[in-house]
Amino acid sequence: GNSVTQMEGPVTLSEEAFLTINCTYTATGYPSLFWYVQYPGEGLQLLLKATKADDKGSNKGFEATYRKETTSFHLEKGSVQVSDSAVYFCALSPTNTGTASKLTFGTGTRLQVTL
Amino acid sequence: GAVVSQHPSWVICKSGTSVKIECRSLDFQATTMFWYRQFPKQSLMLMATSNEGSKATYEQGVEKDKFLINHASLTLSTLTVTSAHPEDSSFYICSAKDRPGANVLTFGAGSRLTVL
Repeated sequence: GNSVTQMEGPVTLSEEAFLTINCTYTATGYPSLFWYVQYPGEGLQLLLKATKADDKGSNKGFEATYRKETTSFHLEKGSVQVSDSAVYFCALSPTNTGTASKLTFGTGTRLQVTL
Repeated sequence: GAVVSQHPSWVICKSGTSVKIECRSLDFQATTMFWYRQFPKQSLMLMATSNEGSKATYEQGVEKDKFLINHASLTLSTLTVTSAHPEDSSFYICSAKDRPGANVLTFGAGSRLTVL
């Protein structure tokens, strides 16, 4: 079956540091890949997505590239801010249409950014 | 943008009682809602797909009689945990599509259930 593995947290960084949160997946066919973010007290929000190999999703300074050869979708940001402190979830959907109806999630990685 | 509200956000109940969690789409009609469960330090697990006006579709291993889902209107789905036991303690999250075929889900903030 499908599965998503992401690095355990918490990840603690100083403001303006470089961020990488690793995510690898197991799936048949051509899944779509997503990163969701959950700020304290709020619901999960879609951060970015990619629907095919070599696609790069980007939003709010975050980027992730769909790497089929390494089955990875690592999240990166060049310079984090305190406001980026949240829990980040990597997820996949079994279809390549980007339809997010049946998502398989990773365990989530908590990011804490300090001044 | 689309907003999904869950209520209550926290609930503590005694073993053997039933608890109802509501999921409301505040500014859109949701024909389909999804219920997830998250154990500490684990992934969100899809429990069931709730369709307005019809029976919910449960994922394998989820007890239908234990987790009753009702989607009586286009803006409200409820999850009732019946005869709750401590092992049902978890974080329950709902999500919704703001239109059929939408490729983005809107999530609620979740409801934490603690069964004593």
